[in-house]
Amino acid sequence: GNSVTQMEGPVTLSEEAFLTINCTYTATGYPSLFWYVQYPGEGLQLLLKATKADDKGSNKGFEATYRKETTSFHLEKGSVQVSDSAVYFCALGTSGGSNYKLTFGKGTLLTVNP
Amino acid sequence: DAGVTQSPTHLIKTRGQQVTLRCSPKSGHDTVSWYQQALGQGPQFIFQYYEEEERQRGNFPDRFSGHQFPNYSSELNVNALLLGDSALYLCASSLELTGSYNEQFFGPGTRLTVL
Repeated sequence: GNSVTQMEGPVTLSEEAFLTINCTYTATGYPSLFWYVQYPGEGLQLLLKATKADDKGSNKGFEATYRKETTSFHLEKGSVQVSDSAVYFCALGTSGGSNYKLTFGKGTLLTVNP
Repeated sequence: DAGVTQSPTHLIKTRGQQVTLRCSPKSGHDTVSWYQQALGQGPQFIFQYYEEEERQRGNFPDRFSGHQFPNYSSELNVNALLLGDSALYLCASSLELTGSYNEQFFGPGTRLTVL
């Protein structure tokens, strides 16, 4: 079955530091890959996505590249801000079409200090 | 646009009781999925409803059931509650578009505590 393994947290960084959160997956077929973010007291928000191999998803300074050869989708940001403090979830979904369900990793708590 | 709304926000029940959680999808969406998020874990897929029918189901017992109404809103019912059912229950809605990725938008969740 499908599964997602992501870097265990918590991760604590200083403002303007470089961020990497590792994510690897196991899936049958050709999944789409996602990063979701959950701010305190809020619902999950889609941060970025990539729907096929070698695609790069990007949003709000965050980037992740769909690497089929290493089954990875690592999240990166060059300079984090205090407002980036949240829980980040890597997820995969069935590629294309309907009947879409998401399989999530356990989440990584990021705390950015001023 | 109100986005996905869920009610109630919090709920406390005792073991053996039954609970109903409600979800209103984002305007224009016709598909609703439910997820269970235990403390410190990622969300786990429970089931998905489209055209008032359960279309997909995750690895959850029959105690978990649902319903979708003609206006696309949905309910999640859990019978014979166990302590392990304590979790944040998330509803996600999407628009069915054949042959393309259908982004899921999540609600804020209902926090269920079973004592």
